[in-house]
Amino acid sequence: QLQLQESGPGLVKPSETLSLTCTVSGGSISNSSYYWGWIRQPPGKGLEWIGNVYYSGNSYYNPSLKSRVTISVDTSKNQFSLNLSSVAAADTAVYYCARHFRSGGWFVQQWGQGTLVTVSS
Amino acid sequence: QSALTQPASVSGSPGQSITISCTGTSSDIGSNNLVSWYQQHPGKAPKLMIYEVSQWPSGVSNRFSGSKSGNTASLTISGLQAEDEADYYCSSYAGSSTYVIFGGGTKVTVL
Repeated sequence: QLQLQESGPGLVKPSETLSLTCTVSGGSISNSSYYWGWIRQPPGKGLEWIGNVYYSGNSYYNPSLKSRVTISVDTSKNQFSLNLSSVAAADTAVYYCARHFRSGGWFVQQWGQGTLVTVSS
Repeated sequence: QSALTQPASVSGSPGQSITISCTGTSSDIGSNNLVSWYQQHPGKAPKLMIYEVSQWPSGVSNRFSGSKSGNTASLTISGLQAEDEADYYCSSYAGSSTYVIFGGGTKVTVL
């Protein structure tokens, strides 16, 4: 059964770069049916789509975050990663990695358990 | 782009049916049949309940059903049960901008 596991620092200082990695187990990240992405949820608030990446490296981002976001894939490690630069307190959230079905509007079939990242000095 | 619009809360008694609306624009919901719905219990990751407006993923009860008219999508929960108490989020693909937009979420309370 496919599993997604987020990893990375739980505390990031303002103006620095938030970096998270999602390890995929039980399936190949090179499966052509899926995109691999990130979604976040500030405490007590709703979901926000950050972006996704295809195994080929093609990526797509939320226009509101595009200038600060990079999502990359490492097929040799079956992992994909999120970098969010110049973070501020508003970037404090639970970050989920997710498997998007390639067609059908990129609905999320599988979610990681989520990891809380706090931006604070 | 603004989030899709959902009511903050909806409630119903066990056995009743409730409907959650999700309103977007002609650039997202109104432009395709690519609406999905997610259920989230406190402290848990969301779970896919409906995709492509009205399709069920494997393992999801058919008490959950989806529909769409114009720029508004809807999720109906029939035969409401205590376990249905959760937050529900709609989502749509915004093809013209190639990204995904979520609704603000609806808290469902079973009275």
